[in-house]
Amino acid sequence: EPEVTQTPSHQVTQMGQEVILRCVPISNHLYFYWYRQILGQKVEFLVSFYNNEISEKSEIFDDQFSVERPDGSNFTLKIRSTKLEDSAMYFCASSDEGGRFAGNTIYFGEGSWLTVV
Amino acid sequence: DQQVKQNSPSLSVQEGRISILNCDYTNSMFDYFLWYKKYPAEGPTFLISISSIKDKNEDGRFTVFLNKSAKHLSLHIVPSQPGDSAVYFCAAVTGSARQLTFGSGTQLTVLP
Repeated sequence: EPEVTQTPSHQVTQMGQEVILRCVPISNHLYFYWYRQILGQKVEFLVSFYNNEISEKSEIFDDQFSVERPDGSNFTLKIRSTKLEDSAMYFCASSDEGGRFAGNTIYFGEGSWLTVV
Repeated sequence: DQQVKQNSPSLSVQEGRISILNCDYTNSMFDYFLWYKKYPAEGPTFLISISSIKDKNEDGRFTVFLNKSAKHLSLHIVPSQPGDSAVYFCAAVTGSARQLTFGSGTQLTVLP
């Protein structure tokens, strides 16, 4: 079964450092997403990406965050200067769903656990 | 801003019995509701969904019920199996926005 893969599975970084989380979406999918889950809290939407540009983003996705699809297969999330409160599990997801969004075709990766110290 | 709420953080059920997981929402613009299942160290996986124009959707052991007037949905698992033990997230979409709004999750434990 096709799957979304994420690297690294766990990263520890010092506050203020830049972090890049990488994702390989399912190959024929056109829509890409990042979500995050702070420990003990709900999964939260960060950003969606389509046709090489951000289509939607949440309030969490401020200027410290950016996304990129550098080479047609990878989809990355960059946090420019990490803060303690960025510690969370970051989930990449992809879907091939066009038209009105029903949400039932999103595939999530296993997550990248980011610890900021 | 808790548009989707799961008020029970945990639920324990005996194997073979029914598990009922509940979810409430506040945004009347939601038009699809979904349940995701999540095991530790894995991403959420889609389980079942329901359109807002329906009140029930069934898939094998899983049935989702939607009560729009009460802004409430529930997931029934019958019969429950130990392999069903996981965190279950309720989620909703508006259709016009390509994003899921999740509840806080309910940890289901099915006891053998």
